[in-house]
Amino acid sequence: EMQLVESGGGLVQPGGSLRLSCVDSGFLLSRYWMGWVRQAPGKGLEWVAHMNQDGSYYFYLDSVKGRFTISRDNAKNSLYLQMNSLRDEDTAVYYCARLGMAGSADWFDPWGHGTLVTVS
Amino acid sequence: AIQMTQSPSSLSASVGDRVTMTCRASQGISTDLGWYQQKPGKAPKLLIFAASSLRSGVPLRFSGSGSGTDFTLTISSLQPEDLATYYCLQDNDYPWTFGQGTKVDI
Repeated sequence: EMQLVESGGGLVQPGGSLRLSCVDSGFLLSRYWMGWVRQAPGKGLEWVAHMNQDGSYYFYLDSVKGRFTISRDNAKNSLYLQMNSLRDEDTAVYYCARLGMAGSADWFDPWGHGTLVTVS
Repeated sequence: AIQMTQSPSSLSASVGDRVTMTCRASQGISTDLGWYQQKPGKAPKLLIFAASSLRSGVPLRFSGSGSGTDFTLTISSLQPEDLATYYCLQDNDYPWTFGQGTKVDI
């Protein structure tokens, strides 16, 4: 069973950097597309990025392109989000999640518990 | 970007009530839509994918319907544990976009 645990969040000044990690204790991460979704305090959900199993395909929200980089280390069952040039509006809980796929349908399941990033 | 508009933004209902909420896309998205439940202080959970397919383990009182631009999530008999905010997500085109959520109070 896939169980996702994020880490790496914290307080950072505007313009700073953070690297988020997501580890799958079920050792299944290498088989799946994986992604990140964020939620600003008291706000709704926002898709950030996702990538395929070997890193050859990846997609980003426009507002994070050029600043955030999604990557993975399948040998370590880990997904990462390198966040540079952070802005106040990047403040959010960041969730990692597995992508499920069937035909043209895609979905996020399961989700990690999230890690809070505060830019201030 | 495809805009997803959920309505109502909040609703209050009683245990046993039939509850319906909608999600409207700004352009056609076929059936490329999922519904997620987020309980207070918790991570979201998948309920429905491909507009109407129930995730394994999700109670049968949840159902989804629709295609194109108009989608519905129905809870046939509201239970106390259904207190949550419900979000739709379109995966038809990038950027993937969520609706703003429907908060269900009991």
